[in-house]
Amino acid sequence: GIQVEQSPPDLILQEGANSTLRCNFSDSVNNLQWFHQNPWGQLINLFYIPSGTKQNGRLSATTVATERYSLLYISSSQTTDSGVYFCAVGITGGGNKLTFGTGTQLKVEL
Amino acid sequence: SQTIHQWPATLVQPVGSPLSLECTVEGTSNPNLYWYRQAAGRGLQLLFYSVGIGQISSEVPQNLSASRPQDRQFILSSKKLLLSDSGFYLCAWSYRPYEQYFGPGTRLTVT
Repeated sequence: GIQVEQSPPDLILQEGANSTLRCNFSDSVNNLQWFHQNPWGQLINLFYIPSGTKQNGRLSATTVATERYSLLYISSSQTTDSGVYFCAVGITGGGNKLTFGTGTQLKVEL
Repeated sequence: SQTIHQWPATLVQPVGSPLSLECTVEGTSNPNLYWYRQAAGRGLQLLFYSVGIGQISSEVPQNLSASRPQDRQFILSSKKLLLSDSGFYLCAWSYRPYEQYFGPGTRLTVT
């Protein structure tokens, strides 16, 4: 199956700092999503981005499908950005299943 | 708009007891439905998925089973729980072939 690696595994930032999270995957995909898991466990959809670049406020993401990686940028981080960020990839046929990476644990401090 | 519900939110069950977790989706028809488990706060593992009523695909052999008795209802069951079944169970839906959306989850502790 597809392998998904995320880096870094843990990240501590001061409020206001910028960061880049990376997701590498081992095979061609046509579905890629970024999620934020908040302290209560809820998975929040950030981006559906199988290719290209998208921006939503302080967050943006870029996927280079031909090179099998995606990047999530967080600018001007806030304490509410804390939590775990997951990348998930898949092939839209065969049930549209997702394979998740192990996540990046982000802590934003004052 | 679409919403997804899971219940119960938390559950503590003794080893050997049965399990039934329920997931329902509102505001869409004929969605794909999924059950995931998350252990130790990291790494979601796909357990089951369904592309239609009565159609269940299992991803991991285990002590659990799933059923889809109605179009927007997905149930996760066990006849006898094991300690290793503890975890955070998440239901998700997608309107193929697009992005998945997750419910609030059920925290299961088997004692």
